[in-house]
Amino acid sequence: GAVVSQHPSWVICKSGTSVKIECRSLDFQATTMFWYRQFPKQSLMLMATSNEGSKATYEQGVEKDKFLINHASLTLSTLTVTSAHPEDSSFYICSAVRTDSNQPQHFGDGTRLSIL
Amino acid sequence: AQTVTQSQPEMSVQEAETVTLSCTYDTSESNYYLFWYKQPPSRQMILVIRQEAYKQQNATENRFSVNFQKAAKSFSLKISDSQLGDTAMYFCAFGGSNYKLTFGKGTLLTVNP
Repeated sequence: GAVVSQHPSWVICKSGTSVKIECRSLDFQATTMFWYRQFPKQSLMLMATSNEGSKATYEQGVEKDKFLINHASLTLSTLTVTSAHPEDSSFYICSAVRTDSNQPQHFGDGTRLSIL
Repeated sequence: AQTVTQSQPEMSVQEAETVTLSCTYDTSESNYYLFWYKQPPSRQMILVIRQEAYKQQNATENRFSVNFQKAAKSFSLKISDSQLGDTAMYFCAFGGSNYKLTFGKGTLLTVNP
């Protein structure tokens, strides 16, 4: 089946630093990638939609300057949490889909981000 | 905007028995997909089953089946012969024409030995 790799799986960093999370589709070309955030014991909340070669579309309430998304190729999207603070600590999950296929989104394994 | 409602925050079932998880949704779209995802403690999102709205036949995947009632906007998941490995958080999700997924709040299912 299709595989989406997300890296790193867990990162701990100091407040004020920036953290980059990568999402790669390993065996298919992902025209669209999505970034979700999940707080403990809560559901997944869509943060943004990323289309290859164009600017990401952010959901209401998500700060685009805080969460920078780049989708430079059909196999890679990155989420950079800039000037991270403890309230940014969360579980971040990406998913990828090829919109001209009949396949569902394929999810990465997620990244646990802890800001000290 | 779409909404997905899972009214059962937690459920439990004995091993080998059957359990049904409820989900209702609201949308004005005519073409869409509905999904059930399983999220075990590892937090991996695992697709359990998918239903296309234009198909009247209920989807089945081995021990998992759905009861899709389009007019009632209901999409329940039945798990037969429950196994300990079925213990997880289950999310119902709506997928529209823009491929975005809207998730319900989830149901924590515990399978007891």
